[in-house]
Amino acid sequence: DAKTTQPTSMDCAEGRAANLPCNHSTISGNEYVYWYRQIHSQGPQYIIHGLKNNETNEMASLIITEDRKSSTLILPHATLRDTAVYYCIVRVAVRTNAGKSTFGDGTTLTVKP
Amino acid sequence: NAGVTQTPKFRVLKTGQSMTLLCAQDMNHEYMYWYRQDPGMGLRLIHYSVGEGTTAKGEVPDGYNVSRLKKQNFLLGLESAAPSQTSVYFCASSDRDRDYEQYFGPGTRLTVT
Repeated sequence: DAKTTQPTSMDCAEGRAANLPCNHSTISGNEYVYWYRQIHSQGPQYIIHGLKNNETNEMASLIITEDRKSSTLILPHATLRDTAVYYCIVRVAVRTNAGKSTFGDGTTLTVKP
Repeated sequence: NAGVTQTPKFRVLKTGQSMTLLCAQDMNHEYMYWYRQDPGMGLRLIHYSVGEGTTAKGEVPDGYNVSRLKKQNFLLGLESAAPSQTSVYFCASSDRDRDYEQYFGPGTRLTVT
């Protein structure tokens, strides 16, 4: 699986958009980008995933650059409850490799009042 | 649905003692996983299972054994606990056709003295 690079920490003002970058310059054509988050002391929670098109769901939006070497997770209106560690994961598609995912160190997002 | 549950939530062991962590899921998922998370670090995969009666090693399997006798349960055993196994242990499960979306339990905080 491709390696990812994320900033160690970021701050965001409550109510503003939080933009979390992820670099995955060695991504292969069949690898997807996945995002999870982990709120303090809880198990991680799946957020969103994508291959090359931008994706949006009720939690967030995922913007993947045209060359697929980087992506940005967007939380449109951050709240205090969005304070968490956000993990960017790159791996091949479903039903391969038994769903195994490598969680790096992630980005600690702190939403401030 | 209870989702993924883990027993116990906390445990303190002395070096050399043994114990079993129980993970149960009620979503009829085929895949199940055990991770450990050390302070300030990401999750590391210990063992995983793609179905009843099958298990496989992950990234850090040494010192642990697992069993999956029933589809809904995945047990993690420590035969002779060591201080290096002090960690938070998370269990997760996923559907075979959506294996990127892992559902995590609340974690077991284990301290080995």
